[in-house]
Amino acid sequence: GENVEQHPSTLSVQEGDSAVIKCTYSDSASNYFPWYKQELGKGPQLIIDIRSNVGEKKDQRIAVTLNKTAKHFSLHITETQPEDSAVYFCAAAFENNDMRFGAGTRLTVKP
Amino acid sequence: EAGVAQSPRYKIIEKRQSVAFWCNPISGHATLYWYQQILGQGPKLLIQFQNNGVVDDSQLPKDRFSAERLKGVDSTLKIQPAKLEDSAVYLCASSLSLASGNNEQFFGPGTRLTVL
Repeated sequence: GENVEQHPSTLSVQEGDSAVIKCTYSDSASNYFPWYKQELGKGPQLIIDIRSNVGEKKDQRIAVTLNKTAKHFSLHITETQPEDSAVYFCAAAFENNDMRFGAGTRLTVKP
Repeated sequence: EAGVAQSPRYKIIEKRQSVAFWCNPISGHATLYWYQQILGQGPKLLIQFQNNGVVDDSQLPKDRFSAERLKGVDSTLKIQPAKLEDSAVYLCASSLSLASGNNEQFFGPGTRLTVL
């Protein structure tokens, strides 16, 4: 089955700096790669996603890149703000929208 | 638009007891998912429904876990009997349908289960 690895597990940055989180996946049939933000006591919330036929997607301060050949994808957050502090999960979905999640990255943005 | 509703939000039980969680997906969403999220880990899919049919339950521990979505709308996940290692947050998610090509899953707030 699909296996998704995510790193780093924790990331601390200064407000205004950039943050990068990386994930790798194992199943070449995976075709959808979402990123979720999870705040304490809440369910994961989709922040950006990318499909396998696209290499890069950007939404304001957030961007995702996908390298299908290498089977890895990354989340980039620019101009970080304290409210970006949360746990971020990558995921890879393959047949029947079966989604496998990474272990998560705890991002802390220090003011 | 109302989001995915789950209840209860918290539950504390002793091992060997039974517990049930309820989920109401976003209106019109045909696909419903139950995930288990152990502290410090990502969500792990337990079972997936399309309307009232099971699409995937390969990771559901069927000796103690069961789930149903009889009318294809809301769903119940049951654990009987519970073990200490079942302590986790149980998340429900929904998406439009497998045929829509829209993969986005919307998550509820989860039910935090503590087994003592």
